[in-house]
Amino acid sequence: ETGVTQSPTHLIKTRGQQVTLRCSSQSGHNTVSWYQQALGQGPQFIFQYYREEENGRGNFPPRFSGLQFPNYSSELNVNALELDDSALYLCASSQAGAGKSYEQYFGPGTRLTVT
Amino acid sequence: GDSVTQMEGPVTLSEEAFLTINCTYTATGYPSLFWYVQYPGEGLQLLLKATKADDKGSNKGFEATYRKETTSFHLEKGSVQVSDSAVYFCALRAGGTSYGKLTFGQGTILTVHP
Repeated sequence: ETGVTQSPTHLIKTRGQQVTLRCSSQSGHNTVSWYQQALGQGPQFIFQYYREEENGRGNFPPRFSGLQFPNYSSELNVNALELDDSALYLCASSQAGAGKSYEQYFGPGTRLTVT
Repeated sequence: GDSVTQMEGPVTLSEEAFLTINCTYTATGYPSLFWYVQYPGEGLQLLLKATKADDKGSNKGFEATYRKETTSFHLEKGSVQVSDSAVYFCALRAGGTSYGKLTFGQGTILTVHP
């Protein structure tokens, strides 16, 4: 069984640029959640996608957007990057639905540095 | 809104010492509670969980009991090892949500010396 994978591992961007991060969910999972983890902090919920629709959003501006594809993989897009966007971005997949546990399995993360 | 508060860190212990990391929460309804562990350079791994009051989650020698009366979920281990050195996060998932958003504490760094 393949776990949650994310790409790229690291990247460096300049303020004002746009970035796309990718996540492949664990086999059999239909839901993907994205979290931002600033250095020395706990992860903060950005949003979740279920069956290709946004299904919950945290306190992040609209320049944070996402997609989920029919194979349940997902992208996180961030426009107009700011220095404070520098963080570890974590993707988590889960199985949602009647009788399911919703337990989230995390990928290794993408470390984004904005200069 | 929902929130999780963990004890101030970091925590430094000698091998075989007893570990307690305090966690308290604020939430409406009946949340599920979790402890996650993050090793250097890695993502989060679920360590243990409890889904209702008085449940005890346990894994790899770690334990935590869901105490609704004190809104707490303290993590304990009787004898820590060097390999337990990591960052530990307490988290909750609010009851009744349709999408299972996790709310995390700020994390506690544990360092175990030989």
